[in-house]
Amino acid sequence: GEDVEQSLFLSVREGDSSVINCTYTDSSSTYLYWYKQEPGAGLQLLTYIFSNMDMKQDQRLTVLLNKKDKHLSLRIADTQTGDSAIYFCAESLSGYSTLTFGKGTMLLVSP
Amino acid sequence: NAGVTQTPKFQVLKTGQSMTLQCAQDMNHNSMYWYRQDPGMGLRLIYYSASEGTTDKGEVPNGYNVSRLNKREFSLRLESAAPSQTSVYFCASSGEGPDYEQYFGPGTRLTVT
Repeated sequence: GEDVEQSLFLSVREGDSSVINCTYTDSSSTYLYWYKQEPGAGLQLLTYIFSNMDMKQDQRLTVLLNKKDKHLSLRIADTQTGDSAIYFCAESLSGYSTLTFGKGTMLLVSP
Repeated sequence: NAGVTQTPKFQVLKTGQSMTLQCAQDMNHNSMYWYRQDPGMGLRLIYYSASEGTTDKGEVPNGYNVSRLNKREFSLRLESAAPSQTSVYFCASSGEGPDYEQYFGPGTRLTVT
Protein backbone atom coordinates (compact mmCIF):
# COMPACT_ATOMS: atom_id res chain seq x y z
CA GLY A 1 0.00 0.00 0.00
CA GLU A 2 0.88 3.63 -0.19
CA ASP A 3 2.69 5.30 2.65
CA VAL A 4 4.37 8.68 2.82
CA GLU A 5 6.64 9.45 5.75
CA GLN A 6 8.20 12.68 6.98
CA SER A 7 10.09 13.83 10.03
CA LEU A 8 7.76 15.73 12.33
CA PHE A 9 9.76 18.79 13.27
CA LEU A 10 12.60 21.00 12.02
CA SER A 11 14.02 24.12 13.63
CA VAL A 12 16.36 26.54 11.83
CA ARG A 13 17.63 30.08 12.21
CA GLU A 14 16.58 32.87 9.87
CA GLY A 15 18.89 33.03 6.86
CA ASP A 16 19.90 29.37 7.03
CA SER A 17 18.77 26.75 4.52
CA SER A 18 16.06 24.30 5.51
CA VAL A 19 15.83 20.77 4.16
CA ILE A 20 12.63 18.81 4.67
CA ASN A 21 12.72 15.12 3.78
CA CYS A 22 10.06 12.67 2.70
CA THR A 23 10.05 8.99 1.77
CA TYR A 24 7.35 7.20 -0.17
CA THR A 25 6.77 3.54 -0.88
CA ASP A 26 4.81 3.35 -4.12
CA SER A 27 7.13 3.16 -7.10
CA SER A 28 4.25 3.95 -9.48
CA SER A 29 3.92 7.50 -8.15
CA THR A 30 3.63 9.92 -11.01
CA TYR A 31 3.70 13.31 -9.29
CA LEU A 32 5.12 14.29 -5.93
CA TYR A 33 4.03 17.47 -4.24
CA TRP A 34 4.97 19.86 -1.48
CA TYR A 35 2.14 21.71 0.24
CA LYS A 36 2.44 24.43 2.91
CA GLN A 37 -0.06 25.00 5.69
CA GLU A 38 0.07 28.18 7.74
CA PRO A 39 -1.68 28.31 11.14
CA GLY A 40 -5.45 28.26 10.86
CA ALA A 41 -5.42 27.95 7.07
CA GLY A 42 -5.85 25.32 4.40
CA LEU A 43 -3.04 23.80 2.37
CA GLN A 44 -1.42 25.63 -0.51
CA LEU A 45 0.60 23.96 -3.23
CA LEU A 46 4.24 25.11 -3.16
CA THR A 47 5.68 23.03 -5.94
CA TYR A 48 5.54 19.60 -7.52
CA ILE A 49 7.82 17.34 -9.51
CA PHE A 50 7.04 14.75 -12.14
CA SER A 51 8.50 11.35 -11.43
CA ASN A 52 10.78 11.39 -14.48
CA MET A 53 12.62 14.45 -13.14
CA ASP A 54 15.50 14.52 -10.66
CA MET A 55 15.40 18.15 -9.66
CA LYS A 56 13.19 21.20 -9.91
CA GLN A 57 14.09 24.72 -8.85
CA ASP A 58 11.65 27.53 -8.25
CA GLN A 59 13.13 30.70 -6.75
CA ARG A 60 14.15 29.80 -3.16
CA LEU A 61 12.77 26.27 -3.43
CA THR A 62 14.68 23.25 -4.72
CA VAL A 63 13.07 19.84 -4.96
CA LEU A 64 15.26 16.75 -5.28
CA LEU A 65 13.88 13.34 -6.20
CA ASN A 66 15.81 10.10 -5.77
CA LYS A 67 13.60 7.46 -7.37
CA LYS A 68 15.92 4.59 -6.49
CA ASP A 69 15.61 5.35 -2.76
CA LYS A 70 12.04 6.75 -3.08
CA HIS A 71 13.24 9.89 -1.35
CA LEU A 72 11.99 13.44 -1.92
CA SER A 73 13.40 16.58 -0.36
CA LEU A 74 12.48 20.26 -0.26
CA ARG A 75 15.23 22.78 0.27
CA ILE A 76 14.30 26.34 1.20
CA ALA A 77 17.18 28.77 0.76
CA ASP A 78 17.56 31.84 2.97
CA THR A 79 14.73 30.71 5.25
CA GLN A 80 12.59 33.52 6.65
CA THR A 81 10.32 33.66 9.70
CA GLY A 82 7.37 33.75 7.28
CA ASP A 83 8.37 30.25 6.14
CA SER A 84 7.35 28.88 9.55
CA ALA A 85 4.51 26.47 8.77
CA ILE A 86 3.70 22.79 8.36
CA TYR A 87 4.97 21.25 5.12
CA PHE A 88 3.26 18.23 3.64
CA CYS A 89 4.68 15.83 1.11
CA ALA A 90 2.11 14.06 -1.09
CA GLU A 91 2.08 11.60 -3.97
CA SER A 92 -0.34 10.76 -6.75
CA LEU A 93 -0.54 7.56 -8.75
CA SER A 94 -0.97 7.28 -12.48
CA GLY A 95 -4.58 7.74 -13.52
CA TYR A 96 -5.85 8.72 -10.09
CA SER A 97 -6.64 12.21 -8.90
CA THR A 98 -6.45 11.33 -5.20
CA LEU A 99 -3.34 12.18 -3.23
CA THR A 100 -1.69 10.42 -0.30
CA PHE A 101 -0.26 12.86 2.22
CA GLY A 102 2.48 12.49 4.78
CA LYS A 103 1.83 13.57 8.35
CA GLY A 104 3.57 16.89 7.84
CA THR A 105 6.81 18.52 9.05
CA MET A 106 6.52 21.56 11.29
CA LEU A 107 9.20 24.09 10.35
CA LEU A 108 10.04 26.66 13.00
CA VAL A 109 12.25 29.56 11.93
CA SER A 110 13.76 31.62 14.73
CA PRO A 111 15.15 35.16 14.30
CA ASN B 1 -12.62 33.95 -8.03
CA ALA B 2 -13.27 32.84 -4.45
CA GLY B 3 -11.63 29.44 -5.05
CA VAL B 4 -12.90 26.85 -2.56
CA THR B 5 -15.25 28.06 0.17
CA GLN B 6 -16.46 26.15 3.21
CA THR B 7 -19.18 26.83 5.76
CA PRO B 8 -19.29 26.99 8.68
CA LYS B 9 -15.82 27.92 9.94
CA PHE B 10 -16.49 26.61 13.45
CA GLN B 11 -19.12 24.28 14.90
CA VAL B 12 -19.76 22.65 18.25
CA LEU B 13 -22.09 19.65 18.35
CA LYS B 14 -23.34 17.38 21.07
CA THR B 15 -22.92 13.62 20.63
CA GLY B 16 -25.71 12.27 18.44
CA GLN B 17 -26.52 15.54 16.68
CA SER B 18 -26.34 15.77 12.91
CA MET B 19 -24.96 18.45 10.65
CA THR B 20 -23.87 19.11 7.09
CA LEU B 21 -20.64 20.80 6.10
CA GLN B 22 -20.90 22.76 2.88
CA CYS B 23 -18.25 23.21 0.22
CA ALA B 24 -18.33 25.06 -3.08
CA GLN B 25 -15.77 25.81 -5.78
CA ASP B 26 -15.90 28.27 -8.65
CA MET B 27 -13.01 26.91 -10.73
CA ASN B 28 -15.12 24.53 -12.85
CA HIS B 29 -13.24 21.56 -11.41
CA ASN B 30 -14.51 18.04 -11.93
CA SER B 31 -13.01 16.46 -8.80
CA MET B 32 -13.77 17.36 -5.19
CA TYR B 33 -12.55 15.89 -1.91
CA TRP B 34 -13.24 15.87 1.82
CA TYR B 35 -10.35 15.38 4.27
CA ARG B 36 -10.03 15.42 8.00
CA GLN B 37 -6.92 16.63 9.77
CA ASP B 38 -6.03 15.41 13.24
CA PRO B 39 -2.87 16.17 15.25
CA GLY B 40 -0.07 13.78 14.30
CA MET B 41 -2.20 12.10 11.62
CA GLY B 42 -1.80 14.41 8.66
CA LEU B 43 -4.69 14.59 6.20
CA ARG B 44 -6.89 11.59 5.67
CA LEU B 45 -9.31 11.32 2.77
CA ILE B 46 -12.92 10.74 3.80
CA TYR B 47 -14.74 10.77 0.45
CA TYR B 48 -14.13 12.13 -3.01
CA SER B 49 -16.08 12.78 -6.15
CA ALA B 50 -14.33 12.41 -9.49
CA SER B 51 -17.21 14.01 -11.37
CA GLU B 52 -20.73 15.27 -10.90
CA GLY B 53 -22.97 12.36 -9.93
CA THR B 54 -20.21 10.08 -8.61
CA THR B 55 -18.76 9.62 -5.14
CA ASP B 56 -16.22 7.18 -3.73
CA LYS B 57 -14.98 6.23 -0.30
CA GLY B 58 -11.57 7.30 0.86
CA GLU B 59 -9.48 6.07 3.75
CA VAL B 60 -11.86 6.93 6.62
CA PRO B 61 -15.49 7.03 5.37
CA ASN B 62 -17.27 5.49 8.38
CA GLY B 63 -19.74 7.83 10.07
CA TYR B 64 -19.97 10.18 7.06
CA ASN B 65 -22.07 10.61 3.95
CA VAL B 66 -21.54 12.93 1.00
CA SER B 67 -23.58 14.50 -1.76
CA ARG B 68 -22.26 15.95 -4.99
CA LEU B 69 -25.15 18.33 -5.49
CA ASN B 70 -23.86 19.74 -8.78
CA LYS B 71 -20.47 20.45 -10.29
CA ARG B 72 -19.82 23.30 -7.84
CA GLU B 73 -20.97 21.83 -4.53
CA PHE B 74 -19.91 18.85 -2.45
CA SER B 75 -21.36 18.43 1.04
CA LEU B 76 -20.32 16.21 3.94
CA ARG B 77 -22.93 14.99 6.42
CA LEU B 78 -22.49 13.62 9.90
CA GLU B 79 -25.73 11.79 10.75
CA SER B 80 -24.94 11.09 14.41
CA ALA B 81 -21.86 12.94 15.56
CA ALA B 82 -19.35 11.22 17.88
CA PRO B 83 -16.45 12.72 19.88
CA SER B 84 -14.05 10.80 17.58
CA GLN B 85 -15.23 13.08 14.76
CA THR B 86 -13.78 16.14 16.48
CA SER B 87 -11.37 17.38 13.83
CA VAL B 88 -10.62 20.03 11.25
CA TYR B 89 -12.34 19.25 7.95
CA PHE B 90 -10.97 20.43 4.63
CA CYS B 91 -12.63 20.43 1.27
CA ALA B 92 -10.52 20.51 -1.89
CA SER B 93 -11.04 20.46 -5.63
CA SER B 94 -8.88 19.67 -8.64
CA GLY B 95 -9.10 19.97 -12.39
CA GLU B 96 -8.03 17.55 -15.08
CA GLY B 97 -4.57 16.03 -15.05
CA PRO B 98 -1.79 15.54 -15.50
CA ASP B 99 -0.73 17.29 -12.33
CA TYR B 100 -4.00 17.11 -10.36
CA GLU B 101 -3.12 20.10 -8.20
CA GLN B 102 -5.63 20.28 -5.39
CA TYR B 103 -6.94 23.60 -4.13
CA PHE B 104 -8.02 23.67 -0.51
CA GLY B 105 -10.69 25.55 1.37
CA PRO B 106 -9.96 27.28 4.70
CA GLY B 107 -11.36 24.42 6.81
CA THR B 108 -14.14 23.81 9.32
CA ARG B 109 -13.15 23.24 12.94
CA LEU B 110 -15.68 20.81 14.46
CA THR B 111 -15.87 19.88 18.13
CA VAL B 112 -18.19 17.11 19.31
CA THR B 113 -18.80 17.03 23.06
